[in-house]
Formats: sequence, structure tokens, C-alpha cells
Amino acid sequence: DIVMTQSPLSLPVTPGEPASISCKASQSLLHSNGYNCLDWYLQRPGQSPQLLIYLGSNRASGVPDRFSGSGSGTDFTLKISRVEAEDVGVYYCMQVRQTPLTFGGGTKVEI
Amino acid sequence: EEPLLQSGGGLVQPGGSLRLSCAASRFTFSSFYAMSWIRQAPGKGLQWVSTLTFDAGVTYYADSVKGRFTISRDNSENTLYLQMNNLRAEDTAVHYCVGYRYGASYRGLSWGQGTLVTVSS
Repeated sequence: DIVMTQSPLSLPVTPGEPASISCKASQSLLHSNGYNCLDWYLQRPGQSPQLLIYLGSNRASGVPDRFSGSGSGTDFTLKISRVEAEDVGVYYCMQVRQTPLTFGGGTKVEI
Repeated sequence: EEPLLQSGGGLVQPGGSLRLSCAASRFTFSSFYAMSWIRQAPGKGLQWVSTLTFDAGVTYYADSVKGRFTISRDNSENTLYLQMNNLRAEDTAVHYCVGYRYGASYRGLSWGQGTLVTVSS
């Protein structure tokens, strides 16, 4: 199974300031079709996870452009250019390169 | 895209059974390459449980549920199921169904609203 490692575990943020979360995979997530099979999700309390970024760097529909994803192979980063109060919650990276789907342990972002 | 609608779940005694359902529109259901069940124990992270691929009908299970859980689908009802037998306390979690496409059509996981399964005497 592909092991996903996120850091940090907890991320205190200040509104208006940038924030960054790292995700490392135990194997390359680069598919032969050229796509990096890595998603980012935000889970707010009591809600289902919400898709932010798919295939490494593609922003999902309706996601503000302050969110961006980058990286390739085994190292990925989610960046928030200017944090807003509504961005609090737990962020997860997930690989869809192979079954089983595996998730990072989560990063709790709080103001 | 229309959401996935889950039903089932609830409180069950250890050793008991439950069946979870996940319904989609015909268009959404037929567009998926695969559907999976993912669960989240109280205060914990996300854990994959099972996957069913729609093309070849191949099923996959986490070791922790293999032999106890069965994933299946009903194309006429556009519904995914998870039959859970011989439930244990450690199966207590919110269970989510997800669906996804393949390759260049992939747009991330589509999630159901989640349903709580509580295994307790």
C-alpha cells in the first residue's frame, strides 16, 4: 500500500497570511498518462470531506483561487495564499494512483 | 453533479449485521469508473474500506473487513451497497460512499453525506 505522510499535524494560522501543507508519498504518484494521482480535501466539523484540488494541481469547481496545489512524483504541497476564517478544518491528501486509496493523517488548520 | 445519497446505518450489537446504501442518479452512476466505501472512526482520520470497479466488477477489501463485508451494486436502482456482517466495536465509524471517474475524466471523489454505524452492546 502507498503510505501518505502529511506535515504539520497542526497549523495555527493568521487571517490574511499564507499557509502551506506538505504531503509525501511512499511511491511515485505519477501515472503513465502524465497525471499525478493526488487530491487535497478539506473536512469541516460535522461535514463530509470537500474536494479542493485533484490530480495534483487542478482546482475543483467553486474552490477559491487562493488555494493551489503543486508537486510531482512523491512530494506535494497545498498552499493557501491568504487564509480566511472559513478555511479552518482538517486537510487531507489522498492518493488515487492505486487501490487501496490511502490518505494522509490530516492537518488541522485553526485560527 | 448530483450528490450521492446514503441510507442505512444505526446502532447494532457486536456480531450483528447492517446494510448501507448509496444512491445516485442514473447519469452519475453510469459515469463512474469505480465506487468505494471510506470510513472515519470518531476523532480519527479517513480509512479506505472497499472498492468495486464498474468495468470488470472487481472488488477489493481492507484486511480488517475481508470476509465480513461485501460491496455490491444494483444497476437498475443506481445504488451501491455495503453488507456488513459480524460487526465489531472497532467498526464504529461514519461510513462514506464515494464515486470517481478514470484517467483524464477524473475530477476527484464525489462523496455521500456519510452514515454513522455504532457497534455496541
